[in-house]
Amino acid sequence: TQLLEQSPQFLSIQEGENLTVYCNSSSVFSSLQWYRQEPGEGPVLLVTVVTGGEVKKLKRLTFQFGDARKDSSLHITAAQPGDTGLYLCAGDDYKLSFGAGTTVTVRA
Amino acid sequence: NAGVMQNPRHLVRRRGQEARLRCSPVKGHSHVYWYRQLPEEGLKFMVYLQKENIIDESGMPKERFSAEFPKEGPSILRIQQVVRGDSAAYFCASSPDPLPDTQYFGPGTRLTVL
Repeated sequence: TQLLEQSPQFLSIQEGENLTVYCNSSSVFSSLQWYRQEPGEGPVLLVTVVTGGEVKKLKRLTFQFGDARKDSSLHITAAQPGDTGLYLCAGDDYKLSFGAGTTVTVRA
Repeated sequence: NAGVMQNPRHLVRRRGQEARLRCSPVKGHSHVYWYRQLPEEGLKFMVYLQKENIIDESGMPKERFSAEFPKEGPSILRIQQVVRGDSAAYFCASSPDPLPDTQYFGPGTRLTVL
């Protein structure tokens, strides 16, 4: 099982601000997934990145996969209260390895 | 289409009792995975099953825990003689194939052991 470290652990920002969440590993991943989990619910897949250096955009969310495929970032532009949640990165094969997550709170 | 369904959503057991967690996968999905999420920790893989077969149980404790996915009916995660350390959220995911980006997660069962 490959270890994924996420930072920061907690992030609290005002509506309209930007934020970045990081996911790092010492191992190479063939693909990496980002999920968002809301309280009392299961994780929901946001995106999968596969190619080193890949950048994917999902509305105000931008996902980047590092050139060496060991790290990834999630950037949210003009955050809204609806972006509040636990953001998880995961990778490996069918038995997903998850990071501990970043809890994002967007204040109105 | 219904997503992954888990029941019960909340389960309270006393130490020494048995806990049975059920998971109904997305219709047509034959691959089921169980994960455990402890407070302040990420989700940890427990077991991967296909219909009637356990494919990988490397993340499941050797004692007291068992899982099955029968030909008919839901997948069951069974915890015998529960202890306080078993208190966690247990998530089931299903997929049409064993690829990491095709897993759909259920809402989870929150197990509390008193």
